[in-house]
Amino acid sequence: EDQVTQSPEALRLQEGESSSLNCSYTVSGLRGLFWYRQDPGKGPEFLFTLYSAGEEKEKERLKATLTKKESFLHITAPKPEDSATYLCAVRPSKYSGGGADGLTFGKGTHLIIQP
Amino acid sequence: NAGVTQTPKFQVLKTGQSMTLQCAQDMNHNSMYWYRQDPGMGLRLIYYSASEGTTDKGEVPNGYNVSRLNKREFSLRLESAAPSQTSVYFCASSEGLAREQYFGPGTRLTVT
Repeated sequence: EDQVTQSPEALRLQEGESSSLNCSYTVSGLRGLFWYRQDPGKGPEFLFTLYSAGEEKEKERLKATLTKKESFLHITAPKPEDSATYLCAVRPSKYSGGGADGLTFGKGTHLIIQP
Repeated sequence: NAGVTQTPKFQVLKTGQSMTLQCAQDMNHNSMYWYRQDPGMGLRLIYYSASEGTTDKGEVPNGYNVSRLNKREFSLRLESAAPSQTSVYFCASSEGLAREQYFGPGTRLTVT
């Protein structure tokens, strides 16, 4: 069964304090790993897609990396507006679990950046 | 360009009542999805439509039905609501199954 585990569940940082969020996955094969940001009461907002080990993507203070077993979302010098829940999702290479051809999401990391 | 829109934003139902959640996208995407999000759990796929005219079950389809009305619209129907269906429902769309998905603002449903 495909699984996505995110850690930590929650993280509190001071403004400017860099850190990383982890997404570990076990899938029958990977056709894409996706990072989303979700603000309270809103839908997830797409951040990055990674397709192969070694790939990296950057956007402002965020950088996503991918290995064969996990992905990291690095946050450099975060600001209070970076506070949100960050979701990781994978798309397996073949039907698995219930046979659905969709994304499997982790439970997310709740990030709080204090001024 | 509104992206993905959902109606209603909030709904309260009594057990046994029925309702339809509406979703529309203006990005000319081929694929559309319905998810539910519950506290302490990740987003779970209910149904999806790879392209106009097709629909398939996701991880948690029991108690739901869907209709892909046209390329833009994908509705989710609860025939006989149960308290276990209390959740936040999100619709999403993508150019294809392999591409990133874009989500709507969600419908918060309470079944009493």
